[in-house]
Amino acid sequence: GEDVEQSLFLSVREGDSSVINCTYTDSSSTYLYWYKQEPGAGLQLLTYIFSNMDMKQDQRLTVLLNKKDKHLSLRIADTQTGDSAIYFCAERSGSARQLTFGSGTQLTVLP
Amino acid sequence: DSGVTQTPKHLITATGQRVTLRCSPRSGDLSVYWYQQSLDQGLQFLIQYYNGEERAKGNILERFSAQQFPDLHSELNLSSLELGDSALYFCASSLGVNEKLFFGSGTQLSVL
Repeated sequence: GEDVEQSLFLSVREGDSSVINCTYTDSSSTYLYWYKQEPGAGLQLLTYIFSNMDMKQDQRLTVLLNKKDKHLSLRIADTQTGDSAIYFCAERSGSARQLTFGSGTQLTVLP
Repeated sequence: DSGVTQTPKHLITATGQRVTLRCSPRSGDLSVYWYQQSLDQGLQFLIQYYNGEERAKGNILERFSAQQFPDLHSELNLSSLELGDSALYFCASSLGVNEKLFFGSGTQLSVL
């Protein structure tokens, strides 16, 4: 079955770039997503990438996809304290109708 | 604000009881998903409905059931509650079956 893995924690200094990594196992993944969850809130869709793309940029966010290695990353430029949250990677395979989520990466931005 | 509304925000109940969680999808969305988030299991997919019909089933216990009504709102019923059912229950909606998911802010269920 599908499996999505992320490291649990990441700390960065304010103003630095953050890179959150994710690996997945299902080679038939069609879309890959990044969601952000702030304390006490639901999951907010940040960005997504279709599997035939290598990169997608959206303001401070850059998503890189290495389909050969089944590796997805989210880069946040000029990280701010407001970016502190849990970031979830999720994938939708061709056969599945639902998203499979990773365990989430807790990003802490230090002043 | 995602446009997905979940009620109640918090629910405290006792073991053995039954509760109903409610979800109103974003305007125009036909698909509703239920997820359970707990510390030990992360985000687990429970069930999906599309335009009133069940479309996919995940790790949903037999004690749990759901439905989507003609007005597209959905309810998740949890019965014979156990301590381990304490979790954050999220509803999400999408336009179709393969579209982006938008999440509600969740219902925090505490079983005492």
